Amino acid sequence: DVKVTQSSRYLVKRTGEKVFLECVQDMDHENMFWYRQDPGLGLRLIYFSYDVKMKEKGDIPEGYSVSREKKERFSLILESASTNQTSMYLCASRPPGANVLTFGAGSRLTVL
Amino acid sequence: TQLLEQSPQFLSIQEGENLTVYCNSSSVFSSLQWYRQEPGEGPVLLVTVVTGGEVKKLKRLTFQFGDARKDSSLHITAAQPGDTGLYLCAGARSSYKLIFGSGTRLLVRP
Repeated sequence: DVKVTQSSRYLVKRTGEKVFLECVQDMDHENMFWYRQDPGLGLRLIYFSYDVKMKEKGDIPEGYSVSREKKERFSLILESASTNQTSMYLCASRPPGANVLTFGAGSRLTVL
Repeated sequence: TQLLEQSPQFLSIQEGENLTVYCNSSSVFSSLQWYRQEPGEGPVLLVTVVTGGEVKKLKRLTFQFGDARKDSSLHITAAQPGDTGLYLCAGARSSYKLIFGSGTRLLVRP
């Protein structure tokens, strides 16, 4: 089974801090995604990456950046965290040719 | 970004009851997926439907894709406490992009 691991399950940060959320997948998938999940809003795509060092903006990229230096690792970066970035962040990966996502368990971020 | 509309948003039922969750959009999708998310976990894929009118069964769960590929339903027969979770539909409109519904939170009481 594909495993997508988000190392930080719960984080509490202060406004203005830099935040790194890490995601690692073990199945050599080219495509990786970052979503945020908020009640009543479903999952919204922040960024995705279709290969190493390649990235594209999703629907809500403002306030976020990403890094994909190795195929298995996709990091989400909040340069200066704000309270409206308090949310559940979900990482996912996808094999080539199939539009089916495997998600990590999520990182719940609280910004005070 | 247009969301898929799911209804109801919340559902609390007794074990053994039947229920149906709806996922509606004004847009056509090439395929539609249903995921279930349990507390503290990420969503897990239940099924993908591709053809208009398609019906798929997964034990007590029956999934249907609308004829026009704009809507879908999930019917659960004889619900059990293990069915408790957040049910998400997701429509595919391109090779990479999934549009997620707002979710239906189901609680099955023993």
